[in-house]
Amino acid sequence: GDSVTQMEGPVTLSEEAFLTINCTYTATGYPSLFWYVQYPGEGLQLLLKATKADDKGSNKGFEATYRKETTSFHLEKGSVQVSDSAVYFCALGFSGGYNKLIFGAGTRLAVHP
Amino acid sequence: DAMVIQNPRYQVTQFGKPVTLSCSQTLNHNVMYWYQQKSSQAPKLLFHYYDKDFNNEADTPDNFQSRRPNTSFCFLDIRSPGLGDAAMYLCATSREGGRETQYFGPGTRLLVL
Repeated sequence: GDSVTQMEGPVTLSEEAFLTINCTYTATGYPSLFWYVQYPGEGLQLLLKATKADDKGSNKGFEATYRKETTSFHLEKGSVQVSDSAVYFCALGFSGGYNKLIFGAGTRLAVHP
Repeated sequence: DAMVIQNPRYQVTQFGKPVTLSCSQTLNHNVMYWYQQKSSQAPKLLFHYYDKDFNNEADTPDNFQSRRPNTSFCFLDIRSPGLGDAAMYLCATSREGGRETQYFGPGTRLLVL
């Protein structure tokens, strides 16, 4: 079945370090891919998305590229801040009969000064 | 300019005492979702409405019900809460189905005593 696999956390970094959070997916169709972020005690917010192969989503210094050949959508940021500390969820969504997102397990990021 | 509003943010109920959580949206979106999120886990879809059409996930317990009286409002009813139902409940909306961005509310944290 369709699924999303994320690297396990927690990921602990110092401020200004480079961030990569790996995400791979298994899908029978052509999904859109999303990264959502959840700050402590809050709901999820869309961070970025990509709708087709080779699309790059970007927002707030974060980037991810839809790689169909490797079925991946890795999240990167060149210089993290303490305020980026949160849980990051990779997800995929389909058109047609599906009306739901399939989430990965989430990766907790902790950034220290 | 809140777009998806959930009330209350915190709800305490007693074991077996019915409870209702509410969600409203100002986006005029067709689809409304209810998710259950337990600590350190991904959100788990309980059900969703596409307009007036109700779609229940196969593994959602019968204890959970939902109502959508109009486009803007959606309610989650837990008929007889158990200790295992303590969780964060997230409401989300999207204009159309799974390839579209979902917009999440801040969540309601339910505590069952």
